[in-house]
Amino acid sequence: DTGVSQNPRHKITKRGQNVTFRCDPISEHNRLYWYRQTLGQGPEFLTYFQNEAQLEKSRLLSDRFSAERPKGSFSTLEIQRTEQGDSAMYLCASSQYPSAGGGHTIYFGEGSWLTVV
Amino acid sequence: AQKITQTQPGMFVQEKEAVTLDCTYDTSDPSYGLFWYKQPSSGEMIFLIYQGSYDQQNATEGRYSLNFQKARKSANLVISASQLGDSAMYFCAMRGSMGAQKLVFGQGTRLTINP
Repeated sequence: DTGVSQNPRHKITKRGQNVTFRCDPISEHNRLYWYRQTLGQGPEFLTYFQNEAQLEKSRLLSDRFSAERPKGSFSTLEIQRTEQGDSAMYLCASSQYPSAGGGHTIYFGEGSWLTVV
Repeated sequence: AQKITQTQPGMFVQEKEAVTLDCTYDTSDPSYGLFWYKQPSSGEMIFLIYQGSYDQQNATEGRYSLNFQKARKSANLVISASQLGDSAMYFCAMRGSMGAQKLVFGQGTRLTINP
């Protein structure tokens, strides 16, 4: 499978615990994105990387959230001291920029569902 | 600021019929891209089709076509000959000028295909 891979797919955690999600992008893609999606809503942008550099962070990304992409390949998203409001699906996406034809299509993974109890 | 509006929370269509999902957008960027994604119950966002703001022709990908009306700021998705497997959430999204890479999504339309 050469698509965007995320794990774990599902995580149930107690309030106050830390959780970490991993994303493996499409191998030749230099850009990697994290989005959050709550029930009934479209995904919301959290942050993105070009290679190992984190270029933009949303205001949604509180101090409890940290994302890394240490070698410009896979990325991790850690949530510290989880709260019930963190319950959502966390989507990872990747793209190649610039791309042939200029379309810059962004491909998503299957998401990681987080439930904080 | 960019905004995507999808006014149809749900659509019910008979199998084999064509269906149009509405999307309007608002942006001040002269250059932008419009995307449609399909999200089945498994959660994965599946890319369907892309339209660049300077593209002269409407995008087509198999049974999917994008009815792009720039003056009206609309980018409706047309699915021809609908199939049961088309039942899913559909999201319209916009990417702004080249320096801003994040996608802004609408609230989605849940499409149900009836046999």
